[in-house]
Amino acid sequence: AQSVSQHNHHVILSEAASLELGCNYSYGGTVNLFWYVQYPGQHLQLLLKYFSGDPLVKGIKGFEAEFIKSKFSFNLRKPSVQWSDTAEYFCAVEDTGRRALTFGSGTRLQVQP
Amino acid sequence: NAGVTQTPKFQVLKTGQSMTLQCAQDMNHNSMYWYRQDPGMGLRLIYYSASEGTTDKGEVPNGYNVSRLNKREFSLRLESAAPSQTSVYFCATRTFSGNTIYFGEGSWLTVV
Repeated sequence: AQSVSQHNHHVILSEAASLELGCNYSYGGTVNLFWYVQYPGQHLQLLLKYFSGDPLVKGIKGFEAEFIKSKFSFNLRKPSVQWSDTAEYFCAVEDTGRRALTFGSGTRLQVQP
Repeated sequence: NAGVTQTPKFQVLKTGQSMTLQCAQDMNHNSMYWYRQDPGMGLRLIYYSASEGTTDKGEVPNGYNVSRLNKREFSLRLESAAPSQTSVYFCATRTFSGNTIYFGEGSWLTVV
């Protein structure tokens, strides 16, 4: 069975700092990769996704992620965070055969003004 | 996410009671999913249905059953609720060849 690991459970940054959230998965087959964000009191929103092609993916709100196949990683980055980026971030991996989407445990990001 | 509707939004159950969470979508999507979200554990897949008439177990299926009676609806049943099933439950859908998953707004379930 596939699994997804997000090693940073809680990250605190000051505004304008750079962000990198780690995501590693364990699965040997073909996968699709996603990052979701959940703002306080709201439901999940898609930030970006990778299916194939350029391993550097750009998403909404200035976020990007890089798929490194050899490392089974799909880390999320943002050059300069804002207070409004305070939220919980979830990495997700889809087994393209079973079409089941597995989520990591989430990283809570707190941006201080 | 107006296309995915979950009911009820809130429910309190006593241990041993049964209930069904309903999910309906009007986007003509093939795949539907049930997740539970618990603090520090993210979203865990309970069951999913890749297409009408098929269902498969996810990571945490014990204590649950599902039914995909038609393309629109995918229900989750707790036959004998336990306090460990206190959680927020999310239904989700996606197309067979689509690249986005759509979530419902969640159902808050408390088992006392």
